[in-house]
Amino acid sequence: NAGVTQTPKFRVLKTGQSMTLLCAQDMNHEYMYWYRQDPGMGLRLIHYSVGEGTTAKGEVPDGYNVSRLKKQNFLLGLESAAPSQTSVYFCASSYPPPSYNEQFFGPGTRLTVL
Amino acid sequence: EDQVTQSPEALRLQEGESSSLNCSYTVSGLRGLFWYRQDPGKGPEFLFTLYSAGEEKEKERLKATLTKKESFLHITAPKPEDSATYLCAVQAWGGSNYKLTFGKGTLLTVNP
Repeated sequence: NAGVTQTPKFRVLKTGQSMTLLCAQDMNHEYMYWYRQDPGMGLRLIHYSVGEGTTAKGEVPDGYNVSRLKKQNFLLGLESAAPSQTSVYFCASSYPPPSYNEQFFGPGTRLTVL
Repeated sequence: EDQVTQSPEALRLQEGESSSLNCSYTVSGLRGLFWYRQDPGKGPEFLFTLYSAGEEKEKERLKATLTKKESFLHITAPKPEDSATYLCAVQAWGGSNYKLTFGKGTLLTVNP
């Protein structure tokens, strides 16, 4: 099993450009999440999904959109990138409660917006 | 609002020197407290989940404990390969029980 994979690993964008980050999991997890990690801030939840076709806002959703067309994939989009979106992005997945729902994380995407 | 505070921010130990990391939390109703390990340039790796006060879990040189206000990650006779950032997170009961609230982490360095 590959677990949680993320594409790409690194990306540099110019202000105003758009891009999509792809997350895939092969553990048949219902729940999927997108976090960003910034120095001194810890991990913060951007958006999440509790199943195929559903998405919801997390703690810091502004400037991002997401889609969950297939159970195993969760896409994070930036329509018009801003320097404040320079960060490391992590995808995670888990079983839903009341199962043991520890979240399993991908390796991350390091995004720089110039 | 759920909050997690980890201390110290950084800890430097000599190989074999045991110590503890602290995670203090406030949450409306604790469903679970999670410990993760994160190596540089990698995603967090799950270590433990604790569900109720008094619970303890062990894995190799690590032991996690939980009270009603805090959790400790005890590291016994650490080795250089234990060097990493250790993250604590809480999950609350209720409508938003999907969500993990993370602390900022403790950077542990173990010198040989």
